[in-house]
Amino acid sequence: NAGVTQTPKFQVLKTGQSMTLQCAQDMNHEYMSWYRQDPGMGLRLIHYSVGAGITDQGEVPNGYNVSRSTTEDFPLRLLSAAPSQTSVYFCASSYSPGTGGNSPLHFGNGTRLTVT
Amino acid sequence: KNQVEQSPQSLIILEGKNCTLQCNYTVSPFSNLRWYKQDTGRGPVSLTIMTFSENTKSNGRYTATLDADTKQSSLHITASQLSDSASYICVVSGGGATNKLIFGTGTLLAVQP
Repeated sequence: NAGVTQTPKFQVLKTGQSMTLQCAQDMNHEYMSWYRQDPGMGLRLIHYSVGAGITDQGEVPNGYNVSRSTTEDFPLRLLSAAPSQTSVYFCASSYSPGTGGNSPLHFGNGTRLTVT
Repeated sequence: KNQVEQSPQSLIILEGKNCTLQCNYTVSPFSNLRWYKQDTGRGPVSLTIMTFSENTKSNGRYTATLDADTKQSSLHITASQLSDSASYICVVSGGGATNKLIFGTGTLLAVQP
């Protein structure tokens, strides 16, 4: 099992460029999510998905798009990169997100993005 | 406002010593409380998950406690090792259909030889 795999590990973009951060999991998890981690702040939820074909916004969705065409993949698209999007991005998955879901989140190792 | 506060922000201890990290939360409703370990340059890894009815949960040398009445949790690390150097993140689940998670900012632990 590879777990949650994120690519690329590092990326530098110029303001206005677009790109897609890839995320794949091989654990057959229904729930997948994207977080960003900034210095001095807790992880913040960008978008999430409770299953293939279903996505929803998190706490900080502006400037990002997602889609979930398969259970395994959950790419995050930056439409027009801005310096404020410089951050470390983590993809995470779990069996179940619901109230009774005590299954842990499994995180990838992150993509460090710099926007100049 | 739902918040998770951790203390101390950072901590340095000598190898072999014990330490305790604190987490206070104001999240409501409450579903469960989680502790994660995040090594530098890596994603967080789950250590424990505790529900309302659980007071203590152990994972090797890591023991988490939960007092749901005072809304406090602690993570105790016994006989620390150099590999324990990491950020420890407290996360509280507010429950609901999407299991909203509130993340603390973490305690950065450095274990020195």
